[in-house]
Amino acid sequence: AQKITQTQPGMFVQEKEAVTLDCTYDTSDQSYGLFWYKQPSSGEMIFLIYQGSYDEQNATEGRYSLNFQKARKSANLVISASQLGDSAMYFCAAPDSSYKLIFGSGTRLLVRP
Amino acid sequence: DVKVTQSSRYLVKRTGEKVFLECVQDMDHENMFWYRQDPGLGLRLIYFSYDVKMKEKGDIPEGYSVSREKKERFSLILESASTNQTSMYLCASSRTGGAGSEAFFGQGTRLTVV
Repeated sequence: AQKITQTQPGMFVQEKEAVTLDCTYDTSDQSYGLFWYKQPSSGEMIFLIYQGSYDEQNATEGRYSLNFQKARKSANLVISASQLGDSAMYFCAAPDSSYKLIFGSGTRLLVRP
Repeated sequence: DVKVTQSSRYLVKRTGEKVFLECVQDMDHENMFWYRQDPGLGLRLIYFSYDVKMKEKGDIPEGYSVSREKKERFSLILESASTNQTSMYLCASSRTGGAGSEAFFGQGTRLTVV
């Protein structure tokens, strides 16, 4: 079964700096995907970025990129040039064999002006 | 754009009431999910459905039931609401497609049971 671990309950970052949010996963599947979601204080879950286990390149979407290290089973989210609007909860997730998403416990990011 | 719509953003109900939370998606997704989110506990799966009239229990199904009569609609039912069901409820949908099936979420329903 999938298990997602996010070890940072909270993080601070200075505006305009980069920040890395950690995620490790545990799976016996050969083919899998990893997702990152952002949840602002308003509550909605916003899909940010996806990494497939067979993708040769690390995924990037604008200021978001994934530092994917398959051997270490980690998929850390990197946010470059942090903005005040990046303050939110961030969740790492992966689908299990029945397609339901398993979530990590989340990291609360606070961007300081 | 994928759209998942939950019927209410905020809801206040009394203990013992029967409560319906509705979720509709417009992308013809096979899979639909109901999660609840509580501080310190993260997102926990209540029920999911991978087809019309099909349902599977998640991690915390007790006190809840679901209905999926049409592909686009997935309802969560609290048969007799209790104060410990005060929570944020999130509906999601996804395609069936192996490793790449990201879930799209609704805006969430903050339910308070008094």
